[in-house]
Amino acid sequence: QSVLTQPPSASGTPGQRVTISCSGSGSNIGSNTVNWYQQLPGTAPKLLINSNKERPSGVPDRFSGSKSGTSASLAISGLQSEDEADYFCAAWDDRLNAVVFGGGTQLTVL
Amino acid sequence: QVQLVESGGGVVQPGRSLRLSCTGSGFSFSNYAMHWVRQAPGKGLEWLAIIWYDGNTRFYVDSVKGRFTISRDNSKNTLFLQMNSLRVEDTAVYYCAKDRGSGTYYYFDFWGQGTLVTVSS
Repeated sequence: QSVLTQPPSASGTPGQRVTISCSGSGSNIGSNTVNWYQQLPGTAPKLLINSNKERPSGVPDRFSGSKSGTSASLAISGLQSEDEADYFCAAWDDRLNAVVFGGGTQLTVL
Repeated sequence: QVQLVESGGGVVQPGRSLRLSCTGSGFSFSNYAMHWVRQAPGKGLEWLAIIWYDGNTRFYVDSVKGRFTISRDNSKNTLFLQMNSLRVEDTAVYYCAKDRGSGTYYYFDFWGQGTLVTVSS
C-alpha cells in the first residue's frame, strides 16, 4: 500500500491528452513539492517533472505538472507511442521523514 | 556528464549480508545528498535511505531501519548500502540516485542503471 495514491493504469490514443493523478495528505503533498518520474520498459527511472511543475532540460513541453492542496497531476498532451511507460509521483513526508512514492501508473498508448 | 554506476548485487541466502556500491562521476559528489531506491520485480519504486552531502545526517524507510546502513566515502566518490539480515522480500533492483541538493530531499535528478539483488535459499 503506497502512501501516495495513483491510478494503476491509464491509456489514450496518439495525439490525445491524458492526465494522471497523485493523491496524498498534509504531511507529504500538502507540505512539500511533488516530483514525477518516467520509467520506460527495462530502464531506470528518469526525472520528468520537479518541484510540482518544472520541466528539466530535454523534457518536451507536452509534459506538464500541477499541484493543488494534497493532490497533484501529470498531464501529457499530444500523446506519442514513445510515452508508453510507467509514471511515478513522489514527495517528502514530514511525518515519516521519508520520500514516499505513488504506486505508479502504467500508461498505454492505444 | 553525470554517471552513477552501481555494483555489488548478486544472489545471497536469507539472513546473510551484502554491500552495494555506487560510484559517481561528472559532478562534485561531495556536494550532494544521495539516495538508495529499490524496485521489486514487477512492482513500484520504494525509497530506502538518504545521506546528506557530508554524511552526518541519514534517514531510512521503516522497513529497513536497523538492517540497512547508508554511508559514503567522498574521497572516492562512492555511496554504499550495507544490507544485513536479508530477507526474501528484499529481492529487487537497487538504484542509487543523486539529489539535486545537499541535504533534505529535493528530487532525484540522476539515477544509476541499477543492480539486482536476489535473496533466495
